[in-house]
Amino acid sequence: ELKVEQNPLFLSMQEGKNYTIYCNYSTTSDRLYWYRQDPGKSLESLFVLLSNGAVKQEGRLMASLDTKARLSTLHITAAVHDLSATYFCAGEETSGSRLTFGEGTQLTVNP
Amino acid sequence: GAGVSQSPRYKVAKRGQDVALRCDPISGHVSLFWYQQALGQGPEFLTYFQNEAQLDKSGLPSDRFFAERPEGSVSTLKIQRTQQEDSAVYLCASSLALIDGELFFGEGSRLTVL
Repeated sequence: ELKVEQNPLFLSMQEGKNYTIYCNYSTTSDRLYWYRQDPGKSLESLFVLLSNGAVKQEGRLMASLDTKARLSTLHITAAVHDLSATYFCAGEETSGSRLTFGEGTQLTVNP
Repeated sequence: GAGVSQSPRYKVAKRGQDVALRCDPISGHVSLFWYQQALGQGPEFLTYFQNEAQLDKSGLPSDRFFAERPEGSVSTLKIQRTQQEDSAVYLCASSLALIDGELFFGEGSRLTVL
């Protein structure tokens, strides 16, 4: 059974700073996903990582995947207040099957 | 519609009441998932449909939970004799393809059981 752990669970950072959120998973995962959730809102897909060494970037966010270490990271560069949200990683044991989510990282970016 | 639509958005039920939550997936989407998200937690899988076939219901927490998708489009999640621990946001998601399909989530139905 796939288990997904994120850390930290809470992250308070200043605007302009860099930080990384870590996502460890327990067994082989076909894909690794990153989602963003604003309070009271649904999940917004950020990245899908398909293979070892995959790196994707969108604006100030960059996600990477190391399948050998069973680790994905979400790196935030020069944070801005608009990035405040909860970020989830999720693994998928086999293609097209259910996602297993981490507990989420609640990010607060302070001016 | 443009996205996955869920109703009601908010539901308050007295303990012991039955509730029904509806999901309208994006038109043409084959796969449909239900997830339960407790406050401050990540979503947890409940059940999964491909068209009208319920392929995996291993995440349903008890036999009080029942889901259907009779015509392969709209789905209903029914919870009988609600308990306080059923209070959560119920998220529906759909994807176009059987595999390799991007998953689109609805805004969820927030259930509060008093």
